[in-house]
Amino acid sequence: EVQLVESGGGLEQPGGSLRLSCAASGFPFSSYAMNWVRQAPGKGLEWVSTVSGSGVNTYYADSVKGRFTISRDNSKDTLYLQMNSLRAGDTALYYCAKGGSGSYDSWGQGTLVTVSS
Amino acid sequence: EIVLTQSPGTLSLSPGERATLSCRASQSVSSIYLAWYQQKPGQAPRRLIYGASSRATGIPDRFSGSGSGTDFTLTISRLEPEDFAVYYCQHYGSSSTFGQGTKVEIK
Repeated sequence: EVQLVESGGGLEQPGGSLRLSCAASGFPFSSYAMNWVRQAPGKGLEWVSTVSGSGVNTYYADSVKGRFTISRDNSKDTLYLQMNSLRAGDTALYYCAKGGSGSYDSWGQGTLVTVSS
Repeated sequence: EIVLTQSPGTLSLSPGERATLSCRASQSVSSIYLAWYQQKPGQAPRRLIYGASSRATGIPDRFSGSGSGTDFTLTISRLEPEDFAVYYCQHYGSSSTFGQGTKVEIK
């Protein structure tokens, strides 16, 4: 059974940094692209970033480009999102999602990031 | 950048009725890269349809997807009580975008 467990969220001040993690199990992690998707309170889904299975190729939404960095450690079956220069608009529940047939076939339960002074 | 516009914003229906949800893309997209998700309150999204019309594993056959080019549709043939939720379409590839969602509520 595929399991994705996010961690690392919390309260951070504007301009601060956080690193999110997503521990994966139940599938050959390095064979699949992985993704971060966020959802602001009461709002819809927003794609944040994608990394290829090898970790070589990365893609970002314009709203986070230059501030967030996605990476993965295939030896630890773990996905990361380094978030710098945080803004109030980054406040959201952050989901990691496994790529499957291109779309996102499994999702974690999310970790909440709150950016506030 | 591709923008997905879903309509209606809210659909008020009764159990047993048919639901038709629309997703319109700002430019033509390959149907290979169009998916639909269901999200219930307090839960993560669940994939229903990928490749515009392929049902994901474990999804009941009352859910069906269709469309091509710029116009895509998710149809729920007969609404069950557990189907009242928010539905999102997604265009995926190296980058991705989601529609703003359609809420299917009990009338």
